[in-house]
Amino acid sequence: ETGVTQSPTHLIKTRGQQVTLRCSSQSGHNTVSWYQQALGQGPQFIFQYYREEENGRGNFPPRFSGLQFPNYSSELNVNALELDDSALYLCASSHARSYNYGYTFGSGTRLTVV
Amino acid sequence: AQRVTQPEKLLSVFKGAPVELKCNYSYSGSPELFWYVQYSRQRLQLLLRHISRESIKGFTADLNKGETSFHLKKPFAQEEDSAMYYCALSRDYGQNFVFGPGTRLSVLP
Repeated sequence: ETGVTQSPTHLIKTRGQQVTLRCSSQSGHNTVSWYQQALGQGPQFIFQYYREEENGRGNFPPRFSGLQFPNYSSELNVNALELDDSALYLCASSHARSYNYGYTFGSGTRLTVV
Repeated sequence: AQRVTQPEKLLSVFKGAPVELKCNYSYSGSPELFWYVQYSRQRLQLLLRHISRESIKGFTADLNKGETSFHLKKPFAQEEDSAMYYCALSRDYGQNFVFGPGTRLSVLP
């Protein structure tokens, strides 16, 4: 059974650019969630995807968008990058029917905006 | 609005001493509380869920709705318990978590 894999592990972008982060969910999981973790803080919920549609969103602007593919993998896209977008981005997968079992997290993508 | 607070950024205890990591929450609905742990160089992982009333690695947590708390306890801390601990509230059946800021537990020899 494979876990959640994220790519790339590290990324440096310039303010104003666009970035795409990728996530492969754990085998058997059909729901993918994305979190932003700034330094010294807990993860903050960005959004969740289920059946290729957004299924819940946190307090993030529209320039944060995502996709889920038929194989349940997912992308997080961020447009018009700002310095405050520098953070660890975590992907987590779960099965929609496995209520209250929590998530399986990936190792994250460290994004630095300069 | 949903919110999770963990008042201690760092908690240091000696091996064998009891440990309690505090977590308080604010939520208007029926809360589902979790503890997640992140050991050094490892990914965030689920430690325990209030709904299952389980004990994992000697840790327990009781949901106190009157005090809106979900403190994590262990009677005898071990060095391998040193890690970052996050309390989290789920708004939707174990999905879409609101995480606290985390407490770093350091167990001294």
